Amino acid sequence: AQSVAQPEDQVNVAEGNPLTVKCTYSVSGNPYLFWYVQYPNRGLQFLLKYITGDNLVKGSYGFEAEFNKSQTSFHLKKPSALVSDSALYFCAVRDMDTGRRALTFGSGTRLQVQP
Amino acid sequence: EAGVAQSPRYKIIEKRQSVAFWCNPISGHATLYWYQQILGQGPKLLIQFQNNGVVDDSQLPKDRFSAERLKGVDSTLKIQPAKLEDSAVYLCASSLGLDQKQYFGPGTRLTVT
Repeated sequence: AQSVAQPEDQVNVAEGNPLTVKCTYSVSGNPYLFWYVQYPNRGLQFLLKYITGDNLVKGSYGFEAEFNKSQTSFHLKKPSALVSDSALYFCAVRDMDTGRRALTFGSGTRLQVQP
Repeated sequence: EAGVAQSPRYKIIEKRQSVAFWCNPISGHATLYWYQQILGQGPKLLIQFQNNGVVDDSQLPKDRFSAERLKGVDSTLKIQPAKLEDSAVYLCASSLGLDQKQYFGPGTRLTVT
């Protein structure tokens, strides 16, 4: 079975400071990993994905994520937070090797960036 | 480019009634997804189509939910009869193919009373 955990319901950070939103996953095989963002009154939007290759993945709006196989983590990061980054962030995983072709999403982490 | 269209945006029904949602994906997108997002939770996949064939419907409550994607374009999701626990936002998404980035529609907020 595939699963993903986002251990923090909410993350608070001051504008200009670095931010990290945590995600850990569980799969039997190798993972495909994704981050999506949900802004207020807007649909979910794709941020970035990891399939193979470089462990540091760069995505939209200055976000990046680091894949760590030994810790089964895929944390989302940004060097300098903006107030406009305040939103709900979802991590998602698919097990490449089990044949299931659907993503499993985490429960989400609300990011609040204070001015 | 036009995004994923969904209708209606809001729907209120009584339990045991039926309801249908419509989705028009981005032109050329072969893969279409229906998700259920209950307040405070992440989206849960209900059904995934590749063209007009079903790829995954393992979490679809088939005794009351049904979905179709005729001609590999538009899709409808139906609930009959609805239960209180079906109150949620129903999201449609599409992508060029498997593991490609998904584009989400605005969703339909369903309230069952």
